[in-house]
Amino acid sequence: SQELEQSPQSLIVQEGKNLTINCTSSKTLYGLYWYKQKYGEGLIFLMMLQKGGEEKSHEKITAKLDEKKQQSSLHITASQPSHAGIYLCGPGYGGATNKLIFGTGTLLAVQP
Amino acid sequence: DAGVIQSPRHEVTEMGQEVTLRCKPISGHNSLFWYRQTMMRGLELLIYFNNNVPIDDSGMPEDRFSAKMPNASFSTLKIQPSEPRDSAVYFCASSRQTNTGELFFGEGSRLTVL
Repeated sequence: SQELEQSPQSLIVQEGKNLTINCTSSKTLYGLYWYKQKYGEGLIFLMMLQKGGEEKSHEKITAKLDEKKQQSSLHITASQPSHAGIYLCGPGYGGATNKLIFGTGTLLAVQP
Repeated sequence: DAGVIQSPRHEVTEMGQEVTLRCKPISGHNSLFWYRQTMMRGLELLIYFNNNVPIDDSGMPEDRFSAKMPNASFSTLKIQPSEPRDSAVYFCASSRQTNTGELFFGEGSRLTVL
């Protein structure tokens, strides 16, 4: 069963616009990871959030984890064509395992 | 530094044939993961190893699938016999066994079963 839901499933934005992708879990997460995938390639790690209320930024991408550790958002400021791809969130369950599964993904297209 | 290396990159085979996918993880990484990606089901975890030992294979679809890791630098995923529904991109990933959630992915093996 799918334990993570991402929204929206797909998104088309004009270059320069801001956008937000959401990831929701039905249960409290040990941690939350964001990855990006370009077409035909493997996934690339973006960032990890572990604490409730935590926020991290890398270049123009900011990710937040809510206080209850059940929802995360990924925000891109002033989007560029290089941001296009599939964004996936993945939960970490517990400290004794590094098993990592992923959400359904959000396909982002950025129009020049 | 070399990343995760997968082979073959593309494989086209006929139903009933045996398929073997190979993976070389990053040196020094203790965990290895096999994923399958399709449009319908997204990215699914098939199996993962810690220190060459299979920890969780609950994602392996059925007995036709098997995975091995004979040493720290090599793993295989075998499908025998293959079926058209096995067509997908198969990814291998590795990580340090520190539960950081940072996996390093190979470029994938695209399998087409006719």
